[in-house]
Amino acid sequence: EVQLVESGGGLVQPGGSLRLSCAASGFTFSNYWMSWVRQAPGTGLEWVANIKQDGSGKYYVDSVKGRFTISRDNAKNSLYLQMNSLRAEDTAVYYCTRPSWYLGVGYFNYWGQGTLVTVSS
Amino acid sequence: DVQMTQSPSSLSASVGDRVTITCRASQSISSHLNWYQQKSEKAPKLLIYAASILQSGVPSRFSGSGSGTDFTLTISSLQPEDFATYYCQQSFSTLLTFGGGTKVEIK
Repeated sequence: EVQLVESGGGLVQPGGSLRLSCAASGFTFSNYWMSWVRQAPGTGLEWVANIKQDGSGKYYVDSVKGRFTISRDNAKNSLYLQMNSLRAEDTAVYYCTRPSWYLGVGYFNYWGQGTLVTVSS
Repeated sequence: DVQMTQSPSSLSASVGDRVTITCRASQSISSHLNWYQQKSEKAPKLLIYAASILQSGVPSRFSGSGSGTDFTLTISSLQPEDFATYYCQQSFSTLLTFGGGTKVEIK
Protein backbone atom coordinates (compact mmCIF):
# COMPACT_ATOMS: atom_id res chain seq x y z
CA GLU A 1 0.00 0.00 0.00
CA VAL A 2 1.35 3.38 -1.00
CA GLN A 3 1.80 5.70 1.97
CA LEU A 4 3.02 9.28 2.08
CA VAL A 5 3.51 10.84 5.51
CA GLU A 6 4.42 14.49 5.82
CA SER A 7 6.07 16.09 8.83
CA GLY A 8 7.81 19.30 9.78
CA GLY A 9 4.98 21.81 9.68
CA GLY A 10 4.42 24.36 12.39
CA LEU A 11 4.37 28.02 13.32
CA VAL A 12 7.20 30.19 12.00
CA GLN A 13 7.77 33.93 11.92
CA PRO A 14 7.84 35.87 8.66
CA GLY A 15 11.31 35.63 7.14
CA GLY A 16 11.96 32.35 8.89
CA SER A 17 12.69 28.88 7.54
CA LEU A 18 11.13 25.46 7.78
CA ARG A 19 11.92 22.06 6.28
CA LEU A 20 9.11 19.70 5.38
CA SER A 21 9.68 15.98 5.01
CA CYS A 22 7.65 13.26 3.35
CA ALA A 23 8.29 9.61 4.15
CA ALA A 24 7.24 7.34 1.31
CA SER A 25 6.53 3.62 1.43
CA GLY A 26 4.75 0.93 -0.51
CA PHE A 27 6.39 1.66 -3.87
CA THR A 28 9.83 2.03 -5.43
CA PHE A 29 10.43 5.66 -4.54
CA SER A 30 13.35 6.15 -6.91
CA ASN A 31 11.16 5.33 -9.92
CA TYR A 32 8.80 8.28 -9.52
CA TRP A 33 8.64 12.01 -9.89
CA MET A 34 7.39 13.57 -6.68
CA SER A 35 5.56 16.82 -6.01
CA TRP A 36 4.41 19.23 -3.33
CA VAL A 37 0.96 20.81 -3.54
CA ARG A 38 -0.37 23.35 -1.03
CA GLN A 39 -3.70 24.79 0.00
CA ALA A 40 -4.03 28.08 1.86
CA PRO A 41 -6.93 28.27 4.33
CA GLY A 42 -10.26 28.56 2.55
CA THR A 43 -8.70 28.60 -0.90
CA GLY A 44 -7.94 26.20 -3.71
CA LEU A 45 -5.09 23.86 -4.53
CA GLU A 46 -1.76 25.20 -5.75
CA TRP A 47 1.06 23.11 -7.17
CA VAL A 48 4.36 24.12 -5.55
CA ALA A 49 7.20 22.02 -6.93
CA ASN A 50 8.19 18.84 -8.82
CA ILE A 51 11.35 16.79 -8.73
CA LYS A 52 12.49 14.12 -11.16
CA GLN A 53 13.35 10.59 -10.09
CA ASP A 54 17.08 11.23 -9.70
CA GLY A 55 16.73 14.82 -8.54
CA SER A 56 18.24 16.17 -11.77
CA GLY A 57 15.18 18.25 -12.66
CA LYS A 58 13.36 20.57 -10.29
CA TYR A 59 10.46 22.87 -11.14
CA TYR A 60 8.69 25.50 -9.08
CA VAL A 61 5.69 27.78 -9.14
CA ASP A 62 6.85 31.37 -9.68
CA SER A 63 5.78 32.52 -6.22
CA VAL A 64 8.31 30.26 -4.44
CA LYS A 65 11.25 30.35 -6.88
CA GLY A 66 14.45 31.35 -5.13
CA ARG A 67 12.93 30.74 -1.68
CA PHE A 68 11.91 27.06 -1.69
CA THR A 69 14.05 24.05 -2.63
CA ILE A 70 12.66 20.61 -3.34
CA SER A 71 14.99 17.66 -2.82
CA ARG A 72 14.90 13.92 -2.26
CA ASP A 73 16.92 11.12 -0.73
CA ASN A 74 16.17 7.93 -2.63
CA ALA A 75 18.14 5.84 -0.13
CA LYS A 76 15.81 7.05 2.63
CA ASN A 77 12.64 7.06 0.50
CA SER A 78 12.14 10.67 1.49
CA LEU A 79 11.08 13.90 -0.15
CA TYR A 80 11.85 17.32 1.29
CA LEU A 81 10.84 20.95 0.89
CA GLN A 82 13.21 23.55 2.32
CA MET A 83 11.29 26.78 2.75
CA ASN A 84 13.22 30.00 3.36
CA SER A 85 12.19 33.66 3.59
CA LEU A 86 8.70 32.57 4.50
CA ARG A 87 5.82 34.99 4.02
CA ALA A 88 2.31 35.13 5.44
CA GLU A 89 0.99 34.02 2.06
CA ASP A 90 2.92 30.75 2.38
CA THR A 91 0.55 29.73 5.18
CA ALA A 92 -1.08 26.54 3.94
CA VAL A 93 -1.47 22.82 4.29
CA TYR A 94 1.34 21.24 2.29
CA TYR A 95 0.67 17.89 0.64
CA CYS A 96 3.25 15.42 -0.63
CA THR A 97 1.98 13.76 -3.80
CA ARG A 98 3.06 10.99 -6.10
CA PRO A 99 1.99 10.93 -9.72
CA SER A 100 1.12 8.02 -11.93
CA TRP A 101 1.22 8.11 -15.72
CA TYR A 102 -1.11 7.04 -18.50
CA LEU A 103 0.08 7.47 -22.08
CA GLY A 104 2.17 10.44 -21.02
CA VAL A 105 -0.54 12.06 -18.91
CA GLY A 106 0.51 12.54 -15.30
CA TYR A 107 -2.02 12.56 -12.50
CA PHE A 108 -1.92 12.56 -8.70
CA ASN A 109 -3.52 9.43 -7.32
CA TYR A 110 -1.57 9.34 -4.08
CA TRP A 111 -1.57 12.12 -1.49
CA GLY A 112 -0.28 12.44 2.04
CA GLN A 113 -2.48 13.72 4.85
CA GLY A 114 -0.87 17.15 4.71
CA THR A 115 1.13 19.23 7.17
CA LEU A 116 0.12 22.74 8.21
CA VAL A 117 2.58 25.60 7.91
CA THR A 118 1.58 28.85 9.59
CA VAL A 119 3.65 31.97 8.98
CA SER A 120 2.80 34.59 11.56
CA SER A 121 4.43 36.85 14.11
CA ASP B 1 2.14 29.08 -17.72
CA VAL B 2 -1.10 27.32 -18.55
CA GLN B 3 -4.02 28.97 -16.78
CA MET B 4 -7.05 26.85 -15.87
CA THR B 5 -10.44 28.53 -15.51
CA GLN B 6 -13.25 26.58 -13.87
CA SER B 7 -16.90 27.46 -13.94
CA PRO B 8 -19.05 27.91 -12.07
CA SER B 9 -17.16 28.64 -8.86
CA SER B 10 -20.12 27.27 -6.92
CA LEU B 11 -23.47 25.72 -7.58
CA SER B 12 -26.48 24.51 -5.65
CA ALA B 13 -28.12 21.28 -6.70
CA SER B 14 -30.48 18.64 -5.41
CA VAL B 15 -29.94 14.93 -4.99
CA GLY B 16 -30.62 13.29 -8.33
CA ASP B 17 -29.70 16.33 -10.41
CA ARG B 18 -27.33 16.18 -13.34
CA VAL B 19 -24.38 18.47 -12.65
CA THR B 20 -21.85 19.79 -15.16
CA ILE B 21 -18.62 21.60 -14.32
CA THR B 22 -16.42 23.09 -17.01
CA CYS B 23 -12.72 23.78 -17.15
CA ARG B 24 -11.00 25.86 -19.82
CA ALA B 25 -7.25 25.94 -20.46
CA SER B 26 -5.45 29.04 -21.70
CA GLN B 27 -3.81 26.94 -24.43
CA SER B 28 -4.29 23.51 -25.87
CA ILE B 29 -3.38 20.79 -23.38
CA SER B 30 -4.53 17.82 -25.48
CA SER B 31 -6.03 15.35 -22.96
CA HIS B 32 -3.67 16.20 -20.10
CA LEU B 33 -6.52 17.06 -17.76
CA ASN B 34 -7.45 15.52 -14.42
CA TRP B 35 -10.35 16.01 -12.01
CA TYR B 36 -10.26 15.77 -8.22
CA GLN B 37 -12.85 15.84 -5.44
CA GLN B 38 -12.07 17.36 -2.07
CA LYS B 39 -14.15 17.23 1.09
CA SER B 40 -13.61 19.45 4.14
CA GLU B 41 -10.02 20.26 3.11
CA LYS B 42 -8.95 16.64 3.41
CA ALA B 43 -6.51 15.39 0.79
CA PRO B 44 -8.02 15.52 -2.71
CA LYS B 45 -9.25 12.34 -4.32
CA LEU B 46 -8.62 11.59 -7.99
CA LEU B 47 -11.82 11.07 -9.99
CA ILE B 48 -10.87 11.27 -13.66
CA TYR B 49 -7.51 11.31 -15.44
CA ALA B 50 -6.49 11.93 -19.03
CA ALA B 51 -9.74 13.88 -19.47
CA SER B 52 -12.08 10.90 -19.57
CA ILE B 53 -10.70 7.86 -17.78
CA LEU B 54 -12.50 6.95 -14.58
CA GLN B 55 -10.16 6.20 -11.68
CA SER B 56 -10.62 2.73 -10.24
CA GLY B 57 -13.27 2.67 -7.52
CA VAL B 58 -14.95 5.91 -8.58
CA PRO B 59 -18.70 5.54 -9.24
CA SER B 60 -19.76 5.49 -12.87
CA ARG B 61 -22.05 8.50 -12.37
CA PHE B 62 -18.87 10.57 -12.76
CA SER B 63 -17.62 11.15 -16.29
CA GLY B 64 -15.23 13.47 -18.03
CA SER B 65 -14.95 14.71 -21.58
CA GLY B 66 -13.10 17.18 -23.73
CA SER B 67 -9.74 17.80 -25.31
CA GLY B 68 -7.69 20.77 -26.38
CA THR B 69 -8.88 23.67 -24.25
CA ASP B 70 -12.40 22.77 -23.11
CA PHE B 71 -13.26 20.05 -20.65
CA THR B 72 -16.29 18.91 -18.69
CA LEU B 73 -16.90 16.91 -15.54
CA THR B 74 -20.42 15.50 -15.32
CA ILE B 75 -22.19 13.89 -12.39
CA SER B 76 -25.18 12.13 -13.91
CA SER B 77 -27.25 11.83 -10.74
CA LEU B 78 -25.96 13.75 -7.74
CA GLN B 79 -25.73 11.75 -4.53
CA PRO B 80 -25.46 13.07 -0.95
CA GLU B 81 -21.80 12.05 -0.75
CA ASP B 82 -20.98 14.13 -3.85
CA PHE B 83 -21.36 17.47 -2.11
CA ALA B 84 -17.77 18.65 -2.18
CA THR B 85 -15.37 20.88 -4.07
CA TYR B 86 -14.09 19.79 -7.45
CA TYR B 87 -10.82 20.82 -9.11
CA CYS B 88 -9.42 20.37 -12.58
CA GLN B 89 -5.65 20.17 -13.08
CA GLN B 90 -3.49 20.23 -16.19
CA SER B 91 -0.35 18.14 -16.55
CA PHE B 92 0.54 19.19 -20.10
CA SER B 93 3.16 21.59 -18.79
CA THR B 94 5.84 20.64 -16.27
CA LEU B 95 4.58 23.69 -14.37
CA LEU B 96 1.32 22.19 -13.19
CA THR B 97 -1.78 24.25 -12.53
CA PHE B 98 -5.15 23.68 -10.91
CA GLY B 99 -8.45 25.35 -11.63
CA GLY B 100 -9.95 27.55 -8.94
CA GLY B 101 -12.45 24.92 -7.83
CA THR B 102 -16.20 24.41 -7.97
CA LYS B 103 -18.08 24.00 -4.71
CA VAL B 104 -21.17 21.83 -5.07
CA GLU B 105 -23.68 22.60 -2.34
CA ILE B 106 -27.05 21.20 -1.33
CA LYS B 107 -30.06 23.09 -2.68
